[in-house]
Amino acid sequence: DTGVSQDPRHKITKRGQNVTFRCDPISEHNRLYWYRQTLGQGPEFLTYFQNEAQLEKSRLLSDRFSAERPKGSFSTLEIQRTEQGDSAMYLCASSSVWTDNEQFFGPGTRLTVL
Amino acid sequence: SQKIEQNSEALNIQEGKTATLTCNYTNYSPAYLQWYRQDPGRGPVFLLLIRENEKEKRKERLKVTFDTTLKQSLFHITASQPADSATYLCALGRGGGSQGNLIFGKGTKLSVKP
Repeated sequence: DTGVSQDPRHKITKRGQNVTFRCDPISEHNRLYWYRQTLGQGPEFLTYFQNEAQLEKSRLLSDRFSAERPKGSFSTLEIQRTEQGDSAMYLCASSSVWTDNEQFFGPGTRLTVL
Repeated sequence: SQKIEQNSEALNIQEGKTATLTCNYTNYSPAYLQWYRQDPGRGPVFLLLIRENEKEKRKERLKVTFDTTLKQSLFHITASQPADSATYLCALGRGGGSQGNLIFGKGTKLSVKP
């Protein structure tokens, strides 16, 4: 257990529905990251927060995706109008400014879109 | 475009031997390179980081080398054990003011046979 938690661990939804995932990072970490991982691939960067500011967004993050970190603590990732291609593992990670971007990953949320 | 390749999808070795995994990259100048371990259904776990000005780093049975001229990193596990069986991911980072985006390879699945 790295100290990063994600909820839910699994989500099955129908195409067109909206889903929201939550990530609770290690409490003293001010950086939080979202990645997506499909089978046989490495994690792909989606977005990154430093405190409550969203500093980077990948072009993978279409307008159906939105992420927030309202108080600089937990974060949510919402996917609107889900598509079958959104099926993947969504990973959250956190890190501290005092380390060289050593990232601590949560267990992930596995999304299945039917 | 940036490309990161890990030498093989799978590597099978006998217990006690040294496992050597390769990570090559193109069209990128990373400030550092990281190696992670990932077990099935779980998030990646940080193992080692090596900076662009470092040639070699060691941690217990692990050794990483980094050659920025060849654009290559080698990851060695000495005296391998069945418990070392997992997927190993390399990741490149830019550092500086852009601490967010790690670019991951697809990973190499290592199997250590007793």
